[in-house]
Amino acid sequence: ETGVTQTPRHLVMGMTNKKSLKCEQHLGHNAMYWYKQSAKKPLELMFVYSLEERVENNSVPSRFSPECPNSSHLFLHLHTLQPEDSALYLCASSQVAGSSGNTIYFGEGSWLTVV
Amino acid sequence: AQSVTQLDSQVPVFEEAPVELRCNYSSSVSVYLFWYVQYPNQGLQLLLKYLSGSTLVESINGFEAEFNKSQTSFHLRKPSVHISDTAEYFCAVSGEPNAGKSTFGDGTTLTVKP
Repeated sequence: ETGVTQTPRHLVMGMTNKKSLKCEQHLGHNAMYWYKQSAKKPLELMFVYSLEERVENNSVPSRFSPECPNSSHLFLHLHTLQPEDSALYLCASSQVAGSSGNTIYFGEGSWLTVV
Repeated sequence: AQSVTQLDSQVPVFEEAPVELRCNYSSSVSVYLFWYVQYPNQGLQLLLKYLSGSTLVESINGFEAEFNKSQTSFHLRKPSVHISDTAEYFCAVSGEPNAGKSTFGDGTTLTVKP
């Protein structure tokens, strides 16, 4: 069991659907992240929230919309996705400017399949 | 700016053989270095890290890595691997002033064969 919980673990959605991925961290961290992991591709940083403000976007398509209502919760809203968006979406958290050197704690991931 | 290069994308080894997974980094500031492991169908988890002090760091399951500043390397080693070590391994770096940003390597798939 990790300190970062993601739901759902698996999601299948059509290209016209709207769905959301949810993440919750129980570690008291002040930064949260969304990463995308596709087969045969490097880990891609999508969004970073530090102290609940989005500090990095990395040119992610607008069909992905993050929301961070507080330091413990992070959402990724999905709409009109494409089949190539099928991937493992990893949520993570860390304590920025602490003594851990920004050790990142990952959730188990949400497997997304777009049909 | 910082970057990480994992020199091997796949490393196949036989059970009980030694293994080394190579990682080189570049950074203009002091660094913190990490190895993360991802077992099949799971998220990444921290394996070990170097923040300061002794340049040799160890994990609880027998892996070790040595920070070599002159060679800008942080190679991961284990003297005798098990089938259960089969996983993908990621090297990462973070450092001031971007302590909030970690850069990951592309990953090395370790496959341990019986």
